[in-house]
Amino acid sequence: GDSVTQMEGPVTLSEEAFLTINCTYTATGYPSLFWYVQYPGEGLQLLLKATKADDKGSNKGFEATYRKETTSFHLEKGSVQVSDSAVYFCALTRSGSRLTFGEGTQLTVNP
Amino acid sequence: DTGVSQDPRHKITKRGQNVTFRCDPISEHNRLYWYRQTLGQGPEFLTYFQNEAQLEKSRLLSDRFSAERPKGSFSTLEIQRTEQGDSAMYLCASSLMLGGTGELFFGEGSRLTVL
Repeated sequence: GDSVTQMEGPVTLSEEAFLTINCTYTATGYPSLFWYVQYPGEGLQLLLKATKADDKGSNKGFEATYRKETTSFHLEKGSVQVSDSAVYFCALTRSGSRLTFGEGTQLTVNP
Repeated sequence: DTGVSQDPRHKITKRGQNVTFRCDPISEHNRLYWYRQTLGQGPEFLTYFQNEAQLEKSRLLSDRFSAERPKGSFSTLEIQRTEQGDSAMYLCASSLMLGGTGELFFGEGSRLTVL
């Protein structure tokens, strides 16, 4: 079945550091890929998405590129802020219905 | 606020009791999903509806769990004879299928604690 694997966490960075959160997936066909973010006390919200190979999703300074050859969708940001502290989830859908999520990566950014 | 709303936000119950959660999706969305999330894990799919039809149920969903969406608007998730292992956050999400990209909009969740 479909699966998503995220890098082991949590991740702790200083403000303005470079962020990478790794995500790899297993799925047949051509899934759509997503990053969702969950801020403390809030519901999950879509951060960015990519629907086909080599697409780059971007939002709020975050980027991720759909790499079919490596089945990856790593999340990056050049300079993190304290307000980026949250849990980040990588997810995929093949059918356009259910989402399959990774286990999540807790990011803490210290001032 | 026109987002997805869930009620109650927190529920504490004793083992063996029944509980019911309600989800009100974004009004124009025709798909509604239920997920379960335990501490330190990603959300696990439980079931989803398109309008009033329940189209898919996870094999993880035991027969103690039942979900309905009677008029294609709000949905309820009932857990009968709760067990301590049912303690989790129950998430509802809705979507409107546009181009098949599958973006879901989530509520803040209903936290269940079974004593």
